[in-house]
Amino acid sequence: DAGVTQSPTHLIKTRGQHVTLRCSPISGHKSVSWYQQVLGQGPQFIFQYYEKEERGRGNFPDRFSARQFPNYSSELNVNALLLGDSALYLCASSPTDSDPDAGANVLTFGAGSRLTVL
Amino acid sequence: DQQVKQNSPSLSVQEGRISILNCDYTNSMFDYFLWYKKYPAEGPTFLISISSIKDKNEDGRFTVFLNKSAKHLSLHIVPSQPGDSAVYFCAASARSNFGNEKLTFGTGTRLTIIP
Repeated sequence: DAGVTQSPTHLIKTRGQHVTLRCSPISGHKSVSWYQQVLGQGPQFIFQYYEKEERGRGNFPDRFSARQFPNYSSELNVNALLLGDSALYLCASSPTDSDPDAGANVLTFGAGSRLTVL
Repeated sequence: DQQVKQNSPSLSVQEGRISILNCDYTNSMFDYFLWYKKYPAEGPTFLISISSIKDKNEDGRFTVFLNKSAKHLSLHIVPSQPGDSAVYFCAASARSNFGNEKLTFGTGTRLTIIP
């Protein structure tokens, strides 16, 4: 079975540009989350989408936006890139069951998209 | 404000011995805790979790202990194997809403198993 797939794997942008990162969840997973991992830090929550609706947003500026499509894939968009946006962007998907004992919070992560802003 | 803290950036353990990784949290609303393992060039992989209604959860060589009064959890790996060398992240969530799966991660501990 295919896991969570992300594209592109690596990309280089310059300040002021915008970027679109893409994510395909595990088949059957309806929830997709995005995390930013800066070097030396743990992943930091950006967004969660469930059934195409935003369910949560982290402490990120409005330059960050996301959406989820009918097939449950997702895009993360970042506008007006800053040097500090350089990071590994991780997408994760999770099962539809919200029962905590069934592991609703067990996120399966993709390998990430490494963004470098010059 | 670091709500989940892993105060040891690195840990080296002899193969076959026990590895103990520690994690502290400050948010009393957290009620579900997870450990993830990360190899270079890969995404974090789920290892083991524990609900706040328990104080111990075991899965093979991995055991997680939760001390709610101290707001502390630990991951024990025994016996440690070379393949366990990775960065380990502690994560926590407060499951207040349906579908709310925001995880708050610590900064990670790099575990090196010495053959």
